[in-house]
Amino acid sequence: GEDVEQSLFLSVREGDSSVINCTYTDSSSTYLYWYKQEPGAGLQLLTYIFSNMDMKQDQRLTVLLNKKDKHLSLRIADTQTGDSAIYFCAEILSYNTDKLIFGTGTRLQVFP
Amino acid sequence: DADVTQTPRNRITKTGKRIMLECSQTKGHDRMYWYRQDPGLGLRLIYYSFDVKDINKGEISDGYSVSRQAQAKFSLSLESAIPNQTALYFCAVSSGRARNEQFFGPGTRLTVL
Repeated sequence: GEDVEQSLFLSVREGDSSVINCTYTDSSSTYLYWYKQEPGAGLQLLTYIFSNMDMKQDQRLTVLLNKKDKHLSLRIADTQTGDSAIYFCAEILSYNTDKLIFGTGTRLQVFP
Repeated sequence: DADVTQTPRNRITKTGKRIMLECSQTKGHDRMYWYRQDPGLGLRLIYYSFDVKDINKGEISDGYSVSRQAQAKFSLSLESAIPNQTALYFCAVSSGRARNEQFFGPGTRLTVL
């Protein structure tokens, strides 16, 4: 199967860390991605991880990949109000590199 | 200037009308995609094209058609719009190489009354 699941909402206080989770069912992923959608805008690639990696860090962002559990997470350190957006995880499969499989999206709300 | 543009940005139409959404890109990429976004459902692929002569159905192509007029242009048509096609529509492009990042347009909000 090609399901990618995310929780719909996450609310955090400014300055705290945010952790957005994603589970997927197909173990043949090659790349996994996190996209950010700000209000009224399209999606922008935030970060990605290759399937042979367990972790990737990029400034305030940390991506963790647990292949055994088919679980991907995005941690945002020191969350700011500008991080409020919808975050989508997505995967590309080794046997079908034609298209991305997107998760349902998690709306992150940051309050002061 | 934006790399991927979509027109119109907003459209309200009536049931039964034919609607065309247009997408243009300046990135020079071969692959172009049309998605629809509905709350709680993420993005679902409608159609995609890898070059001017290549058109492929996505997971929800019924009720839609596309035309790849040139490498830089990919349009989506709703032949006879119905209310459940009310959604946010995104065009995306990619090179198909390396990590195959997709670059998205700003979206078209379509309302079918």
